[in-house]
Amino acid sequence: EPEVTQTPSHQVTQMGQEVILRCVPISNHLYFYWYRQILGQKVEFLVSFYNNEISEKSEIFDDQFSVERPDGSNFTLKIRSTKLEDSAMYFCASSPELARQETQYFGPGTRLLVL
Amino acid sequence: SQQGEEDPQALSIQEGENATMNCSYKTSINNLQWYRQNSGRGLVHLILIRSNEREKHSGRLRVTLDTSKKSSSLLITASRAADTASYFCATDGHADYKLSFGAGTTVTVRA
Repeated sequence: EPEVTQTPSHQVTQMGQEVILRCVPISNHLYFYWYRQILGQKVEFLVSFYNNEISEKSEIFDDQFSVERPDGSNFTLKIRSTKLEDSAMYFCASSPELARQETQYFGPGTRLLVL
Repeated sequence: SQQGEEDPQALSIQEGENATMNCSYKTSINNLQWYRQNSGRGLVHLILIRSNEREKHSGRLRVTLDTSKKSSSLLITASRAADTASYFCATDGHADYKLSFGAGTTVTVRA
């Protein structure tokens, strides 16, 4: 069964450093998402992406965040200058159609720790 | 915000018993989905119920949706130790792409 995959599974970085989190969505899916979950808190929406552009973003997704689909398979989240409060589990998700119509399938997550 | 809120926050049951958890939300939705998360792991999709559906079954799972009360319930029948996890409801609205998650119900199934 096709799955969303994410790399790395864990990342430790120093405050102020740039990190890139990678995702490979399910191959025939058209919509891609990033969510995050700070330890012990709710899963929060960051951004959705369709047709090579951002379709929606949350207040969390400020100028230090960016997303890219550099090729036909990868979907990346870049955090330019990490802060301590960026420590969280980051989930990538994909769906074949709009969220309002179809299930979003989540990857296993990347646990980011900013020191 | 249309975020779902689960109730109870935590539930401890004996293996073989049923587990019921509820989700309430604030605004109109297109779909409501339930996900499971094992400790520190990813989100596993369990079931999607559309706004025009009232009940849905998948194996030992039964989901109901009452749009007049803006609430949903997830029933796990004949629970197993492997059902120990956190369960989240997530809603999406008519104009949104995003899913809004509740805080989750942590279920512990005792052997």
